[in-house]
This record gives sequence, structure tokens and C-alpha cells, in this order.
Amino acid sequence: DGGITQSPKYLFRKEGQNVTLSCEQNLNHDAMYWYRQDPGQGLRLIYYSQIVNDFQKGDIAEGYSVSREKKESFPLTVTSAQKNPTAFYLCASGAGWNEETQYFGPGTRLLVL
Amino acid sequence: QKEVEQNSGPLSVPEGAIASLNCTYSDRVSQSFFWYRQYSGKSPELIMSIYSNGDKEDGRFTAQLNKASQYVSLLIRDSQPSDSATYLCAVNDRGSGNTGKLIFGQGTTLQVKP
Repeated sequence: DGGITQSPKYLFRKEGQNVTLSCEQNLNHDAMYWYRQDPGQGLRLIYYSQIVNDFQKGDIAEGYSVSREKKESFPLTVTSAQKNPTAFYLCASGAGWNEETQYFGPGTRLLVL
Repeated sequence: QKEVEQNSGPLSVPEGAIASLNCTYSDRVSQSFFWYRQYSGKSPELIMSIYSNGDKEDGRFTAQLNKASQYVSLLIRDSQPSDSATYLCAVNDRGSGNTGKLIFGQGTTLQVKP
């Protein structure tokens, strides 16, 4: 069953804590993306990766970090430097390069305690 | 600053009517255009993509592209209550090179009333 999985579905963060959101895909896609969505807003790009061991900052990278050690996986860490982390986090993947179609995972909702 | 603009709505139409959703974009060199549907609390799902001027039909959905006017629209015929959702327009970011990046509008909320 091909697709993109994200875990957990809900995540609670305490002050000063780093948390990591998981994103896995078995679509054999080269490119993976992390977006943040705030209520009533569109999607804002946090980080993206076109190939293993390489990634680029998006429009709102401050307070976030990523890694791309495997083609299938693109975890996002929300660090304590991100002062307003409450949002819906969406991972997407696509063939990348000249093919821009992106497919989304189910999302992780991050809440601050 | 490249932008994709959508009217946030809500756009309210009666069941069975045609819903028309509109999107304008600022980057003249954009070449790929996408419509996503997002139900409340869920992730976006791809409805249609369009790359050439004119109309592209898929079932009850028709995407229309006019590159000269920098305008893309989505028509939903015979609207059903199950079509009630937020519709996101996305445009490729050609200025970033061949990165596959998309720029998203803020979305239009559609309400189909029985």
C-alpha cells in the first residue's frame, strides 16, 4: 500500500523541549517537503529536500531542523527556538526536479502545553 | 515576492449548482498549476493539475488556465454537500530553478447547501 505516513497524529510540546515529527514515504519519490499550516492560512514551506543527504531552507526555516539520511524518510525537528510552534505540520513528497506534483501525508498537529 | 491569491470565502452554492473557484498568480513564468481539496482537519489531496492554456476536464471538475491573464480557475459541476471543503490553488516556483517547489494560495472555503 503506497503512500506517505506521518507520526504522531498529535504531539504536545513543553516549553524548552525539542520534538521530532516523522515522515516516511514508499512512493520512491526523490523530493520531500515540510509545510506548516496555521488556522485559516495557506501552506508555508519550512524545508525541502531533492535528494538524499541534501536539503534546503524554505520560507520559514528558523527554529526547525531536518535530516535526509534515507530516501524514504525526512524527519522534522521543532526546536525550542521556535517560539510559536502550534500548527498543523504537513509532509509531502514528489518526483521533484521538473515534476512538481506533490502528494501529502495525513499531517501532525503540534500543540504547546 | 511571488504570490498566489484566492478569495478566502466562504463561497456558498446550492446543491446541484456550479461552483466557480478562482486564483491569480504573480509570476509570469509559472508553468504548472494545481488544485488541492482539503477537508477540515485533514491534509490536502490533489484534484487536478493543468499545464496548458484552456480547459481540462475530469469528471465533475474542470480546470481553466489563462496564462496571459495569470488566472486559473476550478469549476465544480453538480455540486454536492460532500464537495464542501477548502480548495487550495498551487503554482510552481520557477524562480527557484528545478526544485519542484510550489507556492500555495490561502485557499477558498466552499459550502454546498442541500
